[in-house]
Amino acid sequence: AQKVTQAQTEISVVEKEDVTLDCVYETRDTTYYLFWYKQPPSGELVFLIRRNSFDEQNEISGRYSWNFQKSTSSFNFTITASQVVDSAVYFCALRKGGKGNNAGNMLTFGGGTRLMVKP
Amino acid sequence: NAGVMQNPRHLVRRRGQEARLRCSPMKGHSHVYWYRQLPEEGLKFMVYLQKENIIDESGMPKERFSAEFPKEGPSILRIQQVVRGDSAAYFCASSPTQGARPYGYTFGSGTRLTVV
Repeated sequence: AQKVTQAQTEISVVEKEDVTLDCVYETRDTTYYLFWYKQPPSGELVFLIRRNSFDEQNEISGRYSWNFQKSTSSFNFTITASQVVDSAVYFCALRKGGKGNNAGNMLTFGGGTRLMVKP
Repeated sequence: NAGVMQNPRHLVRRRGQEARLRCSPMKGHSHVYWYRQLPEEGLKFMVYLQKENIIDESGMPKERFSAEFPKEGPSILRIQQVVRGDSAAYFCASSPTQGARPYGYTFGSGTRLTVV
């Protein structure tokens, strides 16, 4: 069975602070994909990143960066110099990899971390 | 190039009524997934469909819930005899092939169902 844990249910920071959102996952699959989504107050889901299990290179996109560590089954997300517009709920998700398995296509989501950035 | 379209955005039903949620996948996508987000919780998988086929319904409640994805038209998630506990946001996602696209599923904006 797959499981995603986001231990931080709520984080509050002041604008311009850096903040890291933790994500720990469990899976028996050797090939899998990890995702981060942002859900702003308006409610839609905004895709942020997808990472393959065989690619442990960290990624940076503007103020966002992701640290994938297979050894600790973690895929943490850091926002540098946070802004009020970053206030949202952030979800980490896991999907089974490989082809030919119809039942493996769903995403398993963590419970989400609510980030509040105060001016 | 419209994304995944869900309607209605908001739906209010009285207890005992039926709720019908619609999802039109992105053009060229033949795989649809439904997820439910209860208040203050993460999304939970409900059902995965291809055209005219239910591939995986392991997340669907055993009673009152059904889903279809006909050859023509949108995918429908139907909830019969709604109860207050069905109040949630229901998200649909689509993908063009089996598995995730290079940039992940494409999610719709969701339907917020309120049962009064």
